[in-house]
Amino acid sequence: EVQLVESGGGLVQPGRSLKLSCLASGFTFSNYGMNWIRQAPGKGLEWVASISSSSSYIYYADTVKGRFTISRDNAKNTLYLQMTSLRSEDTALYYCARRGGRTPYFDYWGQGVMVTVSS
Amino acid sequence: DIQMTQTPSSMPASLGERVTISCRASQGISNYLNWYQQKPDGTIKPLIYYTSNLQSGVPSRFSGSGSGTDYSLTISSLEPEDFAMYYCQQYDSSPPWTFGGGTKLELK
Repeated sequence: EVQLVESGGGLVQPGRSLKLSCLASGFTFSNYGMNWIRQAPGKGLEWVASISSSSSYIYYADTVKGRFTISRDNAKNTLYLQMTSLRSEDTALYYCARRGGRTPYFDYWGQGVMVTVSS
Repeated sequence: DIQMTQTPSSMPASLGERVTISCRASQGISNYLNWYQQKPDGTIKPLIYYTSNLQSGVPSRFSGSGSGTDYSLTISSLEPEDFAMYYCQQYDSSPPWTFGGGTKLELK
């Protein structure tokens, strides 16, 4: 059974940093591209960042470019999102999602981890 | 960036009813359109990929169609578990891959 379990969220002050993790199981992690997608309270979904299976291709939304870094450790079956210079507008539930194939189709999602940026 | 507009934003409906949710792209997206369902507990699951292909395990009462800029998700006969949020997502060309604003399907 495919499982994606996010961790590392919490309350953080504006300008500070936080690192999210997503532990994958039930599939060969190194064969799949992965993504972070977020949802602000009461809002819709926003794609944040994407990384290919071998980390060769990385993309970011303009809203986080230069502040967030996506990475992965295939030996540990873990996806990361390093978030710096956090802003109140980064407050959201952050989902880890697997890319289902060659196209950006997100076929498995985690339960999400909450990040709250507030003083 | 390609903008996705979903309508309606909320839809009251009854069990057994046939409903259609629409999604319009700001430019043609060549059928590169997916649909997702989000339950009240936050659980998200894929429903349809590339406009009309049903994800494995998704009931056949769900269907998708469309072309160019206009796409739709239809549920032929609503079941209790179908009352949820629905999102479309485009993936034409390079990122960003954008979602529609969502449609909340509510019990009338």
